[in-house]
Amino acid sequence: GAGVSQSPSNKVTEKGKDVELRCDPISGHTALYWYRQRLGQGLEFLIYFQGNSAPDKSGLPSDRFSAERTGESVSTLTIQRTQQEDSAVYLCASSFQGDSYEQYFGPGTRLTVT
Amino acid sequence: DQQVKQNSPSLSVQEGRISILNCDYTNSMFDYFLWYKKYPAEGPTFLISISSIKDKNEDGRFTVFLNKSAKHLSLHIVPSQPGDSAVYFCAASGNFGNEKLTFGTGTRLTIIP
Repeated sequence: GAGVSQSPSNKVTEKGKDVELRCDPISGHTALYWYRQRLGQGLEFLIYFQGNSAPDKSGLPSDRFSAERTGESVSTLTIQRTQQEDSAVYLCASSFQGDSYEQYFGPGTRLTVT
Repeated sequence: DQQVKQNSPSLSVQEGRISILNCDYTNSMFDYFLWYKKYPAEGPTFLISISSIKDKNEDGRFTVFLNKSAKHLSLHIVPSQPGDSAVYFCAASGNFGNEKLTFGTGTRLTIIP
């Protein structure tokens, strides 16, 4: 079956512009997560959705970051007024939240802010 | 505050031998642990997990050991194969996996043919 997909795969933007990153989770997965990985670092949690609600937004680094999920499916991560420190690979994961809780990751979106 | 630590940034192992990757954690609320493998330009791929009610879980060539008293887990790969060369991340979660993952910084494993 289809895995988690993300678009775009690469995004280069100028400092100060807004960007939207999209995630399509595995069909039937109720939980969806966003992480990011900055160069040379581990994965950093951003936000978690259970269905369409976000019980844990604790990882969002500033109010320039927001995310939404609709139809218990696709999610969009929006970064407003991008800064150079936002440059990273943004990864989306989904999980079934049933008998097993393994999170399955998409290929990521590489964001470069110039 | 790094709650999940992988102290070896890199490891080289001869093909056919055992690879042992280590991970330490500090948060006693973690009760579910996972290992992921990551190739360049790809997302992490789930390998194996273990719940805190167990001390060992095996899946083919991969075995994860958990020592709760030491807050330590390890991943054993035997025999190691060239395709195992990748970055391996240890991750931990609370509520038996029903929460966000906290990742270590990764260990780059290189299998020498």
